[in-house]
Amino acid sequence: AQKVTQAQTEISVVEKEDVTLDCVYETRDTTYYLFWYKQPPSGELVFLIRRNSFDEQNEISGRYSWNFQKSTSSFNFTITASQVVDSAVYFCALSLSSNTGKLIFGQGTTLQVKP
Amino acid sequence: DAEITQSPRHKITETGRQVTLACHQTWNHNNMFWYRQDLGHGLRLIHYSYGVQDTNKGEVSDGYSVSRSNTEDLPLTLESAASSQTSVYFCASSYREAGELFFGEGSRLTVL
Repeated sequence: AQKVTQAQTEISVVEKEDVTLDCVYETRDTTYYLFWYKQPPSGELVFLIRRNSFDEQNEISGRYSWNFQKSTSSFNFTITASQVVDSAVYFCALSLSSNTGKLIFGQGTTLQVKP
Repeated sequence: DAEITQSPRHKITETGRQVTLACHQTWNHNNMFWYRQDLGHGLRLIHYSYGVQDTNKGEVSDGYSVSRSNTEDLPLTLESAASSQTSVYFCASSYREAGELFFGEGSRLTVL
């Protein structure tokens, strides 16, 4: 069975702190895709990143970075120098190539960045 | 600009009533999905479609149905609404296998 676990339900940090959101996934497929989505207080879901299982290179986009480790089945997301606007619910998700686009979501991590 | 829209954005209904949530996308995507979001559960897949006349059940399909008569629309119907179906519903579409999903703004449904 496929599963995504985000063990951190809520995280609270002070602005400018670095924060890492954990994501652990389970699948027996060798080809799969991992995603992160952001859901700000306004409620929409914003796509952040898509990574396939054959590309273990870490990704950096501005203050955001992602660490993909197949050995530990993890796809963690780090925000450097957090800002109040980063406050949101963050979802990690898994898609199998055989599922044609169906995403399996984790439970989400609520990040609160305090000024 | 291409987009995906849901209506209504908010609805309150009574137990036992039929409710239909509309989803319309202008990207010409073949793949469309309905998810529900509940605290502690993340987003769970209700139904999905890979093209016209194609529909499939997801993880939590009981009490819901969909139909796909054209590429643009995937309406979600609750045949007899139950309080357990109080939730936020998201429609999404994608243009390729394992591609990112583009989400609508969500529809908040309250069943009293």
